[in-house]
Amino acid sequence: QSALTQPASVSGSPGQSITISCTGTSSDVGGYNYVSWYQHHPGKAPKLMIYEVSNRPSGLSNRFSGSKSGNTASLTISGLQAEDEADYYCSSYTSNSTLVFGSGTKVTVL
Amino acid sequence: QVQLVQSGAELKKPGASVKVSCKASGYSFTTYYMHWVRQAPGQGLEWMGVINPSGGSTTYTLKFQGRVTLTSDTSTSTVYMELKSLRSEDTAVYYCARDSDYGDFAFDYWGQGTPVTVSS
Repeated sequence: QSALTQPASVSGSPGQSITISCTGTSSDVGGYNYVSWYQHHPGKAPKLMIYEVSNRPSGLSNRFSGSKSGNTASLTISGLQAEDEADYYCSSYTSNSTLVFGSGTKVTVL
Repeated sequence: QVQLVQSGAELKKPGASVKVSCKASGYSFTTYYMHWVRQAPGQGLEWMGVINPSGGSTTYTLKFQGRVTLTSDTSTSTVYMELKSLRSEDTAVYYCARDSDYGDFAFDYWGQGTPVTVSS
């Protein structure tokens, strides 16, 4: 199972919106609504930001939103803040009853 | 509160095995599946497998089948990940992660990570 495809890096200025894409196949992203997004600061455990494509865990900022079209899922961060600078990973359930992560995207706040 | 506490860092020689533990507390251990994820230096997250602590059924990603074994001990609320025939490419931080209250295959609690170094 190959990693889902994400851009290596995305950047934006404070207050701007950015979108990270996550492209898979009909056997994973396109076939199921079990797409999640994680924020990962180096040296810390990843943090769940979005589950089931577009749902936010309780208490999470509504600046984070998720969507999906076909085999591509997306994470949008609006009102970008310095604290959003981190690595972001998507994940998807697959037709083999396994999970696959994306390749990861480094978000830089300019 | 929910906590997943992993065992400490390991240094192993190529060809050896490593067994990492993940002790759960603060919730009903047998209610949630437990997953293992690793991150090699400079690389992304990689899912290894999952265990149902109630009954012990497992699923592994193809890459690790035959080399990884997940087990659980309900008496101590601990899950174990054993990786055999270690090679330098297995040098990574290994995490346990629990299925969330929101649904399967989304992880809301993670262990602190266990660094495993494979070097001769």
